[in-house]
Amino acid sequence: AQSVTQLGSHVSVSEGALVLLRCNYSSSVPPYLFWYVQYPNQGLQLLLKYTSAATLVKGINGFEAEFKKSETSFHLTKPSAHMSDAAEYFCAVSDDAGSNYKLTFGKGTLLTVNP
Amino acid sequence: GAGVSQSPRYKVTKRGQDVALRCDPISGHVSLYWYRQALGQGPEFLTYFNYEAQQDKSGLPNDRFSAERPEGSISTLTIQRTEQRDSAMYRCASSLINSGYTFGSGTRLTVV
Repeated sequence: AQSVTQLGSHVSVSEGALVLLRCNYSSSVPPYLFWYVQYPNQGLQLLLKYTSAATLVKGINGFEAEFKKSETSFHLTKPSAHMSDAAEYFCAVSDDAGSNYKLTFGKGTLLTVNP
Repeated sequence: GAGVSQSPRYKVTKRGQDVALRCDPISGHVSLYWYRQALGQGPEFLTYFNYEAQQDKSGLPNDRFSAERPEGSISTLTIQRTEQRDSAMYRCASSLINSGYTFGSGTRLTVV
């Protein structure tokens, strides 16, 4: 079975600082990996996804993530935090490398951005 | 529609009552998924459909939970004889085949 571990349920950064949200996964097959963002009272929105192409994946709103197979990690970064980045972020892995229909999510990381 | 629509947004029900949660996917999206998200947790897979066919219901916790999508569009998740442990955010998503999900805003179910 797939699993996802997000280190740190709450991360706080200053506006303009680097954002680093950690995600480690376990998978018996080459995974598909995803980051989703959830703003208050909204649905989850896809930020980016890794599907075995380039290991550095660029997403929306200036976020990117790097797939590191040796570390089984898929950490999310953004060089400079903006107040509007405050939200909850979820890492997810697909249970089937051939399809993304069944995702296993981590518990989420709440990002706070301080002025 | 423009997005995935779920109704109601909030539902409070008494223990033992049945509830029906509705999901209206994006027009043309073949696949529809149901997830449940408890407080402080990530979403957990419940079930999914391609067109009207339920492809996988392995995530449904017990036989009080059922889902249908009779015409391949709107789906209903039904919980019979609700219990307090059923309280959670229920999320629906839709997609084209093998494509990224679009999630709805969810239905917050509270069983009292």
